[in-house]
Amino acid sequence: SQQGEEDPQALSIQEGENATMNCSYKTSINNLQWYRQNSGRGLVHLILIRSNEREKHSGRLRVTLDTSKKSSSLLITASRAADTASYFCATDATIISSGSARQLTFGSGTQLTVLP
Amino acid sequence: GAGVSQSPSNKVTEKGKDVELRCDPISGHTALYWYRQSLGQGLEFLIYFQGNSAPDKSGLPSDRFSAERTGGSVSTLTIQRTQQEDSAVYLCASSFRVIETQYFGPGTRLLVL
Repeated sequence: SQQGEEDPQALSIQEGENATMNCSYKTSINNLQWYRQNSGRGLVHLILIRSNEREKHSGRLRVTLDTSKKSSSLLITASRAADTASYFCATDATIISSGSARQLTFGSGTQLTVLP
Repeated sequence: GAGVSQSPSNKVTEKGKDVELRCDPISGHTALYWYRQSLGQGLEFLIYFQGNSAPDKSGLPSDRFSAERTGGSVSTLTIQRTQQEDSAVYLCASSFRVIETQYFGPGTRLLVL
């Protein structure tokens, strides 16, 4: 199955609550990235965490990475209605079979709905 | 500064016609990536460029797809003899170096009738 699978597929919360999304992957990675996509819009890069990092913060976002479990989580604190979007994790891995080419692989995303 | 731009933003074409999609990366970014997102699906990696060369073309869905990048800047993705299953949003991204954060353009919505 696919590298970079998010769960849950859909999440609905009230404004002000925290939202947690998880991502699991299968192979060794160089880094893991989280993106947001609003309906009908392009992807927006949120945060990148390198394979030797365990936690990273950016504003209301907190990302953790556990390379032993091959998983990452994205926490959005004090959610707002404007946070409603699809959230994707993407793994940056080196594809040895392709002569060490780098590849960014996205999961199918978590649809977050924040209710006012 | 200016972000990644793509053109056209929307393209409707008839089955069997060729289409050309354009990506203008952020100035100074050496790496450029093409992705495809079908309705309800995650992103599918197609190809990336380091400078003008594409080390790995295995992500292209078929030999009807080709991409080129000249001058280390603008890239075009060409789909020949389009099929209905080619309908998707085609996204381009660029980064300063391959290992760095990728910045995405708004995408081109392609509809093949």
